[in-house]
Amino acid sequence: DGGITQSPKYLFRKEGQNVTLSCEQNLNHDAMYWYRQDPGQGLRLIYYSQIVNDFQKGDIAEGYSVSREKKESFPLTVTSAQKNPTAFYLCASSISSRNEKLFFGSGTQLSVL
Amino acid sequence: GQNIDQPTEMTATEGAIVQINCTYQTSGFNGLFWYQQHAGEAPTFLSYNVLDGLEEKGRFSSFLSRSKGYSYLLLKELQMKDSASYLCAVRSTGANNLFFGTGTRLTVIP
Repeated sequence: DGGITQSPKYLFRKEGQNVTLSCEQNLNHDAMYWYRQDPGQGLRLIYYSQIVNDFQKGDIAEGYSVSREKKESFPLTVTSAQKNPTAFYLCASSISSRNEKLFFGSGTQLSVL
Repeated sequence: GQNIDQPTEMTATEGAIVQINCTYQTSGFNGLFWYQQHAGEAPTFLSYNVLDGLEEKGRFSSFLSRSKGYSYLLLKELQMKDSASYLCAVRSTGANNLFFGTGTRLTVIP
């Protein structure tokens, strides 16, 4: 089945540690996105990529980094510079950055130990 | 800037009809979207409006008025499984992503 896979489902980060969230899609989509979801707030865009080897900062990119070395993969690293990392992280993709319909992964809940 | 307002919570009875409103302010409107999200799960696409009027898709319909900066999602014949959050999102002209509202948590009661 085609879709987006995020892993792990739950992740714990220690103080000063970098952690990486995985996102893989087999939909052959060009565009991929990372959103952060906090209680009582809308989804906020962290980074997006319109095509392989290219990515752009979203509204809350500080403390995060990404790479897009392959079309299928768009991992997100939460660095130690992100002081409030506890949130639900959602990865999404679309056929192109101008396509309306986003397909979302099932999310990763990141918590701080 | 952009802003989206939608009610935080709503409750409705199984079998009834419920309307979830969304008002928005944006420069250069280029489409409005509704997504459904069950707790702890991925949002799923429900509807897309770019022109004024009503789009119907089974039990779900979505309406848009660009002049009023207003949309609503109408759910008919409510079922218990419709208990979820409903996210309104807007795309602006030239933007490569969507701006999401905080979502409306709908609870369907027997």
